[in-house]
Amino acid sequence: GEDVEQSLFLSVREGDSSVINCTYTDSSSTYLYWYKQEPGAGLQLLTYIFSNMDMKQDQRLTVLLNKKDKHLSLRIADTQTGDSAIYFCADYGDYKLSFGAGTTVTVRA
Amino acid sequence: EAGVTQFPSHSVIEKGQTVTLRCDPISGHDNLYWYRRVMGKEIKFLLHFVKESKQDESGMPNNRFLAERTGGTYSTLKVQPAELEDSGVYFCASGNDRLITGGNTIYFGEGSWLTVV
Repeated sequence: GEDVEQSLFLSVREGDSSVINCTYTDSSSTYLYWYKQEPGAGLQLLTYIFSNMDMKQDQRLTVLLNKKDKHLSLRIADTQTGDSAIYFCADYGDYKLSFGAGTTVTVRA
Repeated sequence: EAGVTQFPSHSVIEKGQTVTLRCDPISGHDNLYWYRRVMGKEIKFLLHFVKESKQDESGMPNNRFLAERTGGTYSTLKVQPAELEDSGVYFCASGNDRLITGGNTIYFGEGSWLTVV
């Protein structure tokens, strides 16, 4: 894992979909991850995708991977107030995770 | 089964003082990691233990930081002397594969929030 970049802030209305984007540079990454950190809490693994997949759906979460462009996105359907948190994109390489700076998602009523 | 536990959860110390953070991994996990996030920045890798040996310490910022894992169980991360830029949250993680093939087997603690004033 090398550099992982993501936008810093996202504001979304309750009930709408959220899309968080991430780019990475390590083409050898075998897995890519999304972690969530709620205020004052630790890191929670939300979902992950194997690098030979294009898409993975898990309830309200959809992960899209464009390996050619090294672009990863997380879509949260029907965003709720409990989804307000920092979301970190991460890739795995060289026996460790490399994280982005995190996207702070704020859900407004 | 208990998860990864970290102590203290919060600490406020003065510049120049010493702080020791402790991490208890999940029982039986050979792999233990330390990460750090300073405000608004990415979560950065510090180091990786396999049992009591340092597998990779390429992320340690400088010699004010000392990590140990005597006996291959819990680990400590000491910062001495602490500087203002050391403020942040320090995460510990553990994993149970000898050769971890994917981060889905790495579990994180709640973090130790350090403030240096």
